[in-house]
Formats: sequence, C-alpha cells, structure tokens
Amino acid sequence: GESVGLHLPTLSVQEGDNSIINCAYSNSASDYFIWYKQESGKGPQFIIDIRSNMDKRQGQRVTVLLNKTVKHLSLQIAATQPGDSAVYFCAESSSGGGNKLTFGTGTQLKVEL
Amino acid sequence: GAVVSQHPSWVICKSGTSVKIECRSLDFQATTMFWYRQFPKQSLMLMATSNEGSKATYEQGVEKDKFLINHASLTLSTLTVTSAHPEDSSFYICSALGAGLLAKNIQYFGAGTRLSVL
Repeated sequence: GESVGLHLPTLSVQEGDNSIINCAYSNSASDYFIWYKQESGKGPQFIIDIRSNMDKRQGQRVTVLLNKTVKHLSLQIAATQPGDSAVYFCAESSSGGGNKLTFGTGTQLKVEL
Repeated sequence: GAVVSQHPSWVICKSGTSVKIECRSLDFQATTMFWYRQFPKQSLMLMATSNEGSKATYEQGVEKDKFLINHASLTLSTLTVTSAHPEDSSFYICSALGAGLLAKNIQYFGAGTRLSVL
C-alpha cells in the first residue's frame, strides 16, 4: 500500500538553531498534509497543516514546505528550544480517503543545550 | 478549544478480562473519531474509524470482535478490548475529527491509554 516515510529517524540540534525535519510520501492522490508533535507518553499534538494547492505555510516559529513534484514535505522550526524535543510525525490524507490519516515513521528531535 | 479527553491513561489487567477505554471530545462535537495503536518507538497504526450512530469501520487485519467500538453520542466513543492477552499490551490513542470547528479536517488526539495485560 501507499506509505509516508521520513528520511531521518533522529535529529540533534543545538538550542537556538533552526531544525528541518523531512518527510517523503508516495501517494500521488494525497492532497492534505499535517505535522504532529508527540512527547513521550502523550498523544500527538497538532502543529501545522497544508493543502496541496499551497507550497508553503507559516505558523508560530514553524514553517511547512510542500514539493508536490518530488512528493516531499518538510517542517522547519526556527530557534529550536528544549521544549521542542519530541517525536515529529508527518501524516497525509486524500479527499477520497474518508479523512483517514496515514502516518510516517517519525523523527526524534533532540535539542542540545 | 478542541480538547479530547481519553480515560483511563493507564490500565493493568489480567489475561482474559475486558478493558474499556473512553474517548471524549470536550468542547466540540465529533461525528467521526479514530482509534490508533502505537508500539514503542513506532508510528501510529489506524485500527478503526468510529462514526456516530453507525458501525465502526475496521482496518484490514483488525479483529472487530476483539476490539469493540461504540460511538454512542457526538462526544463519546469507546473501545473495548475483549478477552485481553499479553500481545494486546500497547498504547491506544483516539482522535476526534473537528468537523464542527473551522479546522474541520484536523484530527485532535487524546493523551493515550497504556494497556498492560498480565
């Protein structure tokens, strides 16, 4: 079946630096993408989403970039803080998929002081 | 806004018993809720889609008689793990689709339930 995957399982950054977490997807019918943050022992927390008719969307300290040509999604976190340490998941869905999300494998972000 | 409450957060039970997990949308109505299972250091796997007033839709490979889902109201869905066995031990997470909210396509997640079957 279709899958969504991440390039890097673990990313270590220095506090204050910018973080970039990447995600590749394979379903060409995907038209909605979303990033979640999951802290240990907790449920995923919504960060930001983007539709396929957009290339970029910005939130507070976060930016999501979508490249439909190469089926690539990235999450940029500006001025990374210790509280950003968590596992980040990308997920995708398609209009005909009944709002079901397919999750990627996740990236562990570690912020070093 | 968009708070999803899941209860209990942790449950330990004996093999052969049944366990019920509740998922509530506290400040919005959710006609659709989802149940996921997550193993340590792995991603979320969708188990089933719970629709208010109708039968749940299960993903391939998920036993519907093993994992009973009831979506009795617009704010409550329950997952019952029947005759639990050690292999059912996992982290179960629910989400609710914010259909009544501006961000209607976003799934809001509960805090999860850690099930340990002895």
